[in-house]
Amino acid sequence: QQQVKQSPQSLIVQKGGISIINCAYENTAFDYFPWYQQFPGKGPALLIAIRPDVSEKKEGRFTISFNKSAKQFSLHIMDSQPGDSATYFCAASEMDSSYKLIFGSGTRLLVRP
Amino acid sequence: DAGVTQSPTHLIKTRGQQVTLRCSPKSGHDTVSWYQQALGQGPQFIFQYYEEEERQRGNFPDRFSGHQFPNYSSELNVNALLLGDSALYLCASSLVSSTEAFFGQGTRLTVV
Repeated sequence: QQQVKQSPQSLIVQKGGISIINCAYENTAFDYFPWYQQFPGKGPALLIAIRPDVSEKKEGRFTISFNKSAKQFSLHIMDSQPGDSATYFCAASEMDSSYKLIFGSGTRLLVRP
Repeated sequence: DAGVTQSPTHLIKTRGQQVTLRCSPKSGHDTVSWYQQALGQGPQFIFQYYEEEERQRGNFPDRFSGHQFPNYSSELNVNALLLGDSALYLCASSLVSSTEAFFGQGTRLTVV
């Protein structure tokens, strides 16, 4: 019940295209859903996050869509750029667990020029 | 403003040895969490420290222990190293009242 399932494992998108990464969870107590971006040899960097009381959050080219009833959330990267090439992790946490992060398995994104 | 800093960056140890990794949280943060990231996988929660006490613990053996100091910095200790302990060890800091966690660049531990 603590798992967060992420797909796809890898994704290749042309420059200017839309990248979509999906995650699903089981624990309905989760109340915070961040996305992290990680470049090789670096630690994860917080990209954008959402709480379950909203269905969508947009920051620049990055949008999270959240479906509480389906227990799914997704990251959309609009106008994808080669600099977006990185590994993306979804995560979930809950206040009762001191917001320890449960991560998905990651999606390796490659944006071709 | 310095972010989360970890030391050392890389480390090579022999099976059976002990290792200590260090973390300085982002300025103003009071909570430190440690994660283990095996190659090609997502980070796995080890434990979290707040007010010098272990607040939460993940599914890791007692060989993994930690400490938080009065200045909020933290150490992760691993005893009796196994080959399977080879991973990137990440420190994340946050405010106890906040959901946002910020990660350091990690320490790459290789056990040979």
